[in-house]
Amino acid sequence: EAGVAQSPRYKIIEKRQSVAFWCNPISGHATLYWYQQILGQGPKLLIQFQNNGVVDDSQLPKDRFSAERLKGVDSTLKIQPAKLEDSAVYLCASSWAGGGNEQFFGPGTRLTVL
Amino acid sequence: RKEVEQDPGPFNVPEGATVAFNCTYSNSASQSFFWYRQDCRKEPKLLMSVYSSGNEDGRFTAQLNRASQYISLLIRDSKLSDSATYLCVVAGGSYIPTFGRGTSLIVHP
Repeated sequence: EAGVAQSPRYKIIEKRQSVAFWCNPISGHATLYWYQQILGQGPKLLIQFQNNGVVDDSQLPKDRFSAERLKGVDSTLKIQPAKLEDSAVYLCASSWAGGGNEQFFGPGTRLTVL
Repeated sequence: RKEVEQDPGPFNVPEGATVAFNCTYSNSASQSFFWYRQDCRKEPKLLMSVYSSGNEDGRFTAQLNRASQYISLLIRDSKLSDSATYLCVVAGGSYIPTFGRGTSLIVHP
C-alpha cells in the first residue's frame, strides 16, 4: 500500500515570497491533516479536512496561509507571503476517519525562509 | 495551561533500564489517546493507542488515568534503538488531535 506522498521535500525561499506544498493521502482515507512542526516542538495542527470539507482550521494563520482539498483527495497548502517564522517542517497526514484513528504521515516538506 | 503537556527531557538512560513518561491533558472530554514515536528528521509513526483498560505491546505499556487526566508510557529493558522522541496525542469529542511537544529519550550503552 502506498503511503502519504508529499512534495517538494525541501524548499528555500526568501521572505515575502510565496510557496505551495502538495499532499496525496493514502487511498480511501477520508481525513487529511496539515501540521506545522518547528524544531524542538510537537506538530501543530493547521487544518483538518474530512473529505473536501474543513473540520478545523482554528490554528491556520488565514491572513497568509490557505489550504484546499478539491475532490476530497489530494491537497495543497499555500503560504503567501512567507515570513521568517514560517521556517518549519510541514507534515501532511491522513487517516481512515477522524482524529480518533491512527494517522499516517508523509515525509514532510522542510521549508527555510531567508 | 497547555492542552497537552509533556516533559521535553531528555531522559538519558542506560540499556536495559526501565523508563516512564507521562503526558497530561486539560480537556476532560477527550476521547482518544495515542503515543507516537518520531526519529530524528523523520515523520511521526504510531507506537500504540491508549485504551481505558491500558494496553501492552512487548516491552511497551500504556495507561490512561482519566481521573487525573494523564496518560503514561512505560518502556522496559530499553534498547539503543528506542532512542527517539515520544509524542503524546489527545483527541477530544470532535476528534481533532492535539500533539504534545514530545519527550526525548536517549538510551546509551
